Amino acid sequence: DAGVIQSPRHEVTEMGQEVTLRCKPISGHDYLFWYRQTMMRGLELLIYFNNNVPIDDSGMPEDRFSAKMPNASFSTLKIQPSEPRDSAVYFCASSLRAGIYNEQFFGPGTRLTVL
Amino acid sequence: GNSVTQMEGPVTLSEEAFLTINCTYTATGYPSLFWYVQYPGEGLQLLLKATKADDKGSNKGFEATYRKETTSFHLEKGSVQVSDSAVYFCALNPTNFGNEKLTFGTGTRLTIIP
Repeated sequence: DAGVIQSPRHEVTEMGQEVTLRCKPISGHDYLFWYRQTMMRGLELLIYFNNNVPIDDSGMPEDRFSAKMPNASFSTLKIQPSEPRDSAVYFCASSLRAGIYNEQFFGPGTRLTVL
Repeated sequence: GNSVTQMEGPVTLSEEAFLTINCTYTATGYPSLFWYVQYPGEGLQLLLKATKADDKGSNKGFEATYRKETTSFHLEKGSVQVSDSAVYFCALNPTNFGNEKLTFGTGTRLTIIP
């Protein structure tokens, strides 16, 4: 299995531009998670999906952020308009609900820099 | 609510030293407990886990025992290597049906000096 795939790996953009991050979860996994990691705030859960349906988006910082999962093999996280404080590493993770184990498999992350 | 508290880093040790990274938690019921590791430039990956009291998770020479009486899940390794340099995250899942969220600690950066 290829694992969780994220693209792009690095993104540099200017303030005000739209940014779209992409994620392909592991085939067969029912859950998909989007995290943001910064030095100041650590690892934050932004949103997660179960069977393509958003379950909890309480971590989404504001209306500039949106996430979709149109099918079981693809999800996007969009920031519009982007701001310098959005600079972070964004991780996607997926998991197969298996009782109480809930192991999450993380992608390599997208390093976003907003100038 | 659920929370995880890890010892503050960074932690710097010499090769072959003994490692302990403390982790305590607050949760209702009987959560599952995890240690994740993040190597430089990579995503997190599961290191070990324990799902009930007194369980010991182990992997790659690392161990952690689920202690319900002290609500702790400390990570230990008897002899660390340079390749163990990474950030370590303690996490819990509250095991409430339908709740798949992991609660992570802030992470502890470990550096091993040759």
